[in-house]
Amino acid sequence: DGGITQSPKYLFRKEGQNVTLSCEQNLNHDAMYWYRQDPGQGLRLIYYSQIVNDFQKGDIAEGYSVSREKKESFPLTVTSAQKNPTAFYLCASSMAQQASGRSLHFGNGTRLTVT
Amino acid sequence: QKEVEQDPGPLSVPEGAIVSLNCTYSNSAFQYFMWYRQYSRKGPELLMYTYSSGNKEDGRFTAQVDKSSKYISLFIRDSQPSDSATYLCAMSALFQAAGNKLTFGGGTRVLVKP
Repeated sequence: DGGITQSPKYLFRKEGQNVTLSCEQNLNHDAMYWYRQDPGQGLRLIYYSQIVNDFQKGDIAEGYSVSREKKESFPLTVTSAQKNPTAFYLCASSMAQQASGRSLHFGNGTRLTVT
Repeated sequence: QKEVEQDPGPLSVPEGAIVSLNCTYSNSAFQYFMWYRQYSRKGPELLMYTYSSGNKEDGRFTAQVDKSSKYISLFIRDSQPSDSATYLCAMSALFQAAGNKLTFGGGTRVLVKP
């Protein structure tokens, strides 16, 4: 079955540690995205990548970093510089040049808790 | 003020009732309007998609867009307990097409009681 796999489902870290969230897709999509979801705030775009070895900052990129070395993979690192890292993180993908978000496919998220 | 406003709920209805959800927005450039359904601890899935103004029906779901009022709605007829979820509205403008940049509402939690 084609889809997006995010791992782990739950992640616990101590404050000051960097942590990397995994996102893998087998949909052969060119574009991949990371969103953050907080209660009552909707999804906010962290980073997106439309092609391998290229990515752009979204609305809330500070304290995060990404890489796109393979088409299938788009890992997100939450660094110690992120002031409020506890959140639900969603990875998504779409075919390139698809306007409007109609073809956006989401993974099932990683819930990160930092104490 | 947020660009997209959505009542967080929860909205509790008896099974079989009509569920009425809505979002208001401030950016008149938005042209594409979507509704996503998100079950607890899962990723959102696209329910309905509408371009510009008008109505769209798909089974028990009807989406309406009123661009003059900057208001969109989603109606669920004959609601079922399996419709219990959080419903997110999302929208984008033509010039945001690159990268599929969407602006999301905060979501409305819906509970359909048997």
